[in-house]
Amino acid sequence: EAQVTQNPRYLITVTGKKLTVTCSQNMNHEYMSWYRQDPGLGLRQIYYSMNVEVTDKGDVPEGYKVSRKEKRNFPLILESPSPNQTSLYFCASSFSGQETQYFGPGTRLLVL
Amino acid sequence: QKEVEQNSGPLSVPEGAIASLNCTYSDRGSQSFFWYRQYSGKSPELIMSIYSNGDKEDGRFTAQLNKASQYVSLLIRDSQPSDSATYLCAVRPPGGSYIPTFGRGTSLIVHP
Repeated sequence: EAQVTQNPRYLITVTGKKLTVTCSQNMNHEYMSWYRQDPGLGLRQIYYSMNVEVTDKGDVPEGYKVSRKEKRNFPLILESPSPNQTSLYFCASSFSGQETQYFGPGTRLLVL
Repeated sequence: QKEVEQNSGPLSVPEGAIASLNCTYSDRGSQSFFWYRQYSGKSPELIMSIYSNGDKEDGRFTAQLNKASQYVSLLIRDSQPSDSATYLCAVRPPGGSYIPTFGRGTSLIVHP
């Protein structure tokens, strides 16, 4: 089954404790992205990647890091999480030049 | 600053009626336009994409694009309670940038 998976789905952590949210797709997509969604603010892009080792900042990259060492994986790293990073996070992927983005199921993060 | 504007709603329509969802965008050169549906707590899923002026129909859904007015809409005919969700408009700017801009979404409620 073609899909985008994210782990964990739910995470409660404390300020300053490094965490990684994994994202994996099995559709051989070149493009992958991370979004955060907050009430009243909609979906905002954090980082995106057009291929292995090629990443770029989105609209709200501060406090986040990404890496793309393999085509299928695009982890999101919060090196020192803060309460304002409490949010619902989505990973998405698409073919290069294709328009449709396929979203993962989301990761709900609470930073205390 | 790229902007995509949607009325947050909620838009309430009776079952069987036509629901009309609207979206305006600021970047005149935008070429690709998308409507996603998002159920509460779930990930967005693509309903329609449209690239040319005019109407595009898919089942009960019709997307309408007017580039001169920088306006894109989604009509849902014979609305069903299962259509109750948040509808996100996304606009991909010109110039090869991968970053789509999402509106904040319109909440639709279809009541029996």
